[in-house]
Amino acid sequence: EAQVTQNPRYLITVTGKKLTVTCSQNMNHEYMSWYRQDPGLGLRQIYYSMNVEVTDKGDVPEGYKVSRKEKRNFPLILESPSPNQTSLYFCASSLRGEDTQYFGPGTRLTVL
Amino acid sequence: AQKVTQAQTEISVVEKEDVTLDCVYETRDTTYYLFWYKQPPSGELVFLIRRNSFDEQNEISGRYSWNFQKSTSSFNFTITASQVVDSAVYFCALSAGGTSYGKLTFGQGTILTVHP
Repeated sequence: EAQVTQNPRYLITVTGKKLTVTCSQNMNHEYMSWYRQDPGLGLRQIYYSMNVEVTDKGDVPEGYKVSRKEKRNFPLILESPSPNQTSLYFCASSLRGEDTQYFGPGTRLTVL
Repeated sequence: AQKVTQAQTEISVVEKEDVTLDCVYETRDTTYYLFWYKQPPSGELVFLIRRNSFDEQNEISGRYSWNFQKSTSSFNFTITASQVVDSAVYFCALSAGGTSYGKLTFGQGTILTVHP
């Protein structure tokens, strides 16, 4: 089944404790992206990757890191999480940037 | 800069009513793509439709229809004979070229509640 997977689905952590949210797709897509969803703000792009080893900032990259060492994986790293990073995070992928993006199930992160 | 506005924060209807969700967009690019996504209470984002800027034909898919008008920069979504299962948050999104390649700019979303 073609899909985008994210892990974990739910995470509660404390300020400053490094964490990684994994994202994997099995559709051989070139383009991958991370978004965060906050009430009243819709979804905003954090980082995106056009292909392996090619990443760039989206609208709200502060406090996040990404890497794209393999085509199928695009992990999101929070080196020192803060409470304002409490949010619902979505990973998405598409064949190319202009194509339809398909989203993972979401990761609900709470930073205390 | 790209912008998507969904002016209706919440809509409440009774089952079998028709409902239209409004979406207005802004972009300077001549090539762009418009999308609608549905987010049911379970939280996932479900793709509904993609339309490119050169195709202004309206589209109908079952009870869903979309009205794309470049002259008013709008891409409205109508659900005919709404059902309780249509209750969800609906997002309109825009993707343009240039330096914004691939980035989806989302509207704030419209919460649709369909009452039995």
